[in-house]
Amino acid sequence: DVKVTQSSRYLVKRTGEKVFLECVQDMDHENMFWYRQDPGLGLRLIYFSYDVKMKEKGDIPEGYSVSREKKERFSLILESASTNQTSMYLCASSLFAQENIQYFGAGTRLSVL
Amino acid sequence: SQQGEEDPQALSIQEGENATMNCSYKTSINNLQWYRQNSGRGLVHLILIRSNEREKHSGRLRVTLDTSKKSSSLLITASRAADTASYFCATFQAGTALIFGKGTTLSVSS
Repeated sequence: DVKVTQSSRYLVKRTGEKVFLECVQDMDHENMFWYRQDPGLGLRLIYFSYDVKMKEKGDIPEGYSVSREKKERFSLILESASTNQTSMYLCASSLFAQENIQYFGAGTRLSVL
Repeated sequence: SQQGEEDPQALSIQEGENATMNCSYKTSINNLQWYRQNSGRGLVHLILIRSNEREKHSGRLRVTLDTSKKSSSLLITASRAADTASYFCATFQAGTALIFGKGTTLSVSS
């Protein structure tokens, strides 16, 4: 069975902290994605990666960075967390050969105080 | 850059009724996908329709695609309380990432 695992379901951090959100997939997918989801705004793409060590900016990359050192792991980093980064963060992965059907993790609800 | 826009934003129906959600998009696509999200959880893929297809069925789901109008609809027949969720359309264009709409929230009451 396809599995995308996000390291935390809930996270509370303080303003200015460096925050790491981890995502692991066990399906050997080339593509991995990070979204944030806010009420009324839908899913917005932060960063994505087509291969190890490769990354592409999405629609809202400001304030975030990513790391993909291994194929199965894609990390989202908030360099200096701010209150406007309080949100639900969703990780997904996909295969080009499967027409980019995306498989999602359960999400991490991050609160920045 | 949101491509898909769902309509309505919210829909409330009784069990046993059909639910129809619509999605409009702006540019040419390779496929269009529908996803479901239960409250506070990740999204789950429901069905994919390619640009050269007009209709597709999966269980109680029926999806149509009209590329001339750049629109799609998702029909859920004989709705159940367990269908209560948010539904998102997402468009795929080769060389880009999936682009999701803002979703339709469906409430099915018993």
